[in-house]
Amino acid sequence: NAGVTQTPKFRVLKTGQSMTLLCAQDMNHEYMYWYRQDPGMGLRLIHYSVGEGTTAKGEVPDGYNVSRLKKQNFLLGLESAAPSQTSVYFCASSYVTGRNQPQHFGDGTRLSIL
Amino acid sequence: ELKVEQNPLFLSMQEGKNYTIYCNYSTTSDRLYWYRQDPGKSLESLFVLLSNGAVKQEGRLMASLDTKARLSTLHITAAVHDLSATYFCAVDRRGGATNKLIFGTGTLLAVQP
Repeated sequence: NAGVTQTPKFRVLKTGQSMTLLCAQDMNHEYMYWYRQDPGMGLRLIHYSVGEGTTAKGEVPDGYNVSRLKKQNFLLGLESAAPSQTSVYFCASSYVTGRNQPQHFGDGTRLSIL
Repeated sequence: ELKVEQNPLFLSMQEGKNYTIYCNYSTTSDRLYWYRQDPGKSLESLFVLLSNGAVKQEGRLMASLDTKARLSTLHITAAVHDLSATYFCAVDRRGGATNKLIFGTGTLLAVQP
């Protein structure tokens, strides 16, 4: 039972480098989300997707891009990493009746920008 | 703008004691979620509260929702060490077809033997 799988689990980048975080879910969920978690701030929504080929901005979208080319995958990209993007990133997914269901979270990606 | 506040932020309690974590939110919502997070781990869903007056219980945890007061509580009964974790409430921002959640800052619970 894989659920929501995030890769990589850890990464260290230099300022200005780019990278892509991958989220894969095997529960046939329509909705997918990317959050960042910073100390003392809970989780904040970066971008989300309500279906294959669709994406939308969340609370803190600046500096990030996303794509959902396949229903089971949701990619989060950092084009030019900045130290302020040092954080733990969580992907989540839920059913189309998501408002009555909890979101299912991956194990997180710990990203440090030097 | 929807804001979610939890208190206390940190709670140290002895095994066997009872305590309550509070979650206040600023605008109308009728869906509230409680999650648990162990250190370095993912978030685990505990409760989904869907209507005013909803009460759910699982083991030593009981959650309730008062939408008129914009308040949810997570009550811990006879705490045990295994309950040590960070607890988050999250509120569904109304509008649209998807649950765009706003999370509280979390309550770090440490249960001492």
